[in-house]
Amino acid sequence: GAGVSQSPRYKVAKRGQDVALRCDPISGHVSLFWYQQALGQGPEFLTYFQNEAQLDKSGLPSDRFFAERPEGSVSTLKIQRTQQEDSAVYLCASSWGTGGNTGELFFGEGSRLTVL
Amino acid sequence: GENVEQHPSTLSVQEGDSAVIKCTYSDSASNYFPWYKQELGKRPQLIIDIRSNVGEKKDQRIAVTLNKTAKHFSLHITETQPEDSAVYFCAASPPTGNQFYFGTGTSLTVIP
Repeated sequence: GAGVSQSPRYKVAKRGQDVALRCDPISGHVSLFWYQQALGQGPEFLTYFQNEAQLDKSGLPSDRFFAERPEGSVSTLKIQRTQQEDSAVYLCASSWGTGGNTGELFFGEGSRLTVL
Repeated sequence: GENVEQHPSTLSVQEGDSAVIKCTYSDSASNYFPWYKQELGKRPQLIIDIRSNVGEKKDQRIAVTLNKTAKHFSLHITETQPEDSAVYFCAASPPTGNQFYFGTGTSLTVIP
């Protein structure tokens, strides 16, 4: 596709359920980022991949959060035993570059997670 | 780590007037400063960016200025139009670590 695609767009989970959010970046983009955006806030960094390597996961809020990008393209963000504070929009972004300042971030439309 | 502050959080202007949004950053090593526009329910999209080797950049009605000494940068929108209504985010990125640190956003409303 022409842009970054995320699915599902909306997810409602009961507290304690596991969820998986998918990101399909722009073809050929080496860098992939996951961000968490709470209502009325800016995106908060979660994790960064360069191809299949997860180079930075310092933003993951707890060990319930796990991300992978096994073949260097599609990425999945998994949240185990969801809590109400996990409710947010999860944004995926990709860019062509590597190293510092990877260039323009192209964002997906996000996955809105609501934990009841 | 880097800390980006953005002001104001909300801004209303009459159509045709100018709008200015300001951001400050804490890490003097940051050298790339993009601005993103996010319309309601849509993805953030880059509208303009500036690198630390220049002080100002302009693209039609949009301009960004950077003051490295004071560690602040600003977005200027002239001749505002209703379609400029959106949330605007500034960000700062240091040269290593692949991190983008975002401000908390400014909700701009352009009143026809």
